[in-house]
Amino acid sequence: KAGVTQTPRYLIKTRGQQVTLSCSPISGHRSVSWYQQTPGQGLQFLFEYFSETQRNKGNFPGRFSGRQFSNSRSEMNVSTLELGDSALYLCASRMGSTDTQYFGPGTRLTVL
Amino acid sequence: DAKTTQPNSMESNEEEPVHLPCNHSTISGTDYIHWYRQLPSQGPEYVIHGLTSNVNNRMASLAIAEDRKSSTLILHRATLRDAAVYYCIPGTSGTYKYIFGTGTRLKVLA
Repeated sequence: KAGVTQTPRYLIKTRGQQVTLSCSPISGHRSVSWYQQTPGQGLQFLFEYFSETQRNKGNFPGRFSGRQFSNSRSEMNVSTLELGDSALYLCASRMGSTDTQYFGPGTRLTVL
Repeated sequence: DAKTTQPNSMESNEEEPVHLPCNHSTISGTDYIHWYRQLPSQGPEYVIHGLTSNVNNRMASLAIAEDRKSSTLILHRATLRDAAVYYCIPGTSGTYKYIFGTGTRLKVLA
């Protein structure tokens, strides 16, 4: 079974721009969560989607948003990029009935 | 949110066993304990999880204390490919929101 895939793997943007990251979960997994990893803050939860509904949200500004489609694929959007948004963005999927999450390789975002 | 305490770093010789400890004294009674590892520039990789009794899989073993306030991830024979940051994560109490600590950076010496 294919794992979680994320596209693109690397991205360079400038301040003020917006960016959209994509995540395809493991087949059959209906939940997708997003995390941000930075050297200073470590791994932090952004939000979780299940059956196209956001069910939980971390402590991030409204510039960070996401959505999930009917095929469980998810996108994350960051508007008005700031230098501090440079990070590895990770997506994780899980089956609806379990707690165990499986992570993708991440998208490395650099904001210049 | 349950908090975890792990050593910042550990070293092991290749082909020797490694015991990675984790304290999670505030874990809720029904939450599983998950362990992940993260190699440089990769996403966290699932290693093992358990609730009360000890668990084994092809990657590792998990020993859980009787009071569930701590657990130990056991790599039976460390290899150079096991060099990574290891995270223990208590269950989410239904929020499905993983709280990552700083993890333990394992260095394996050839």
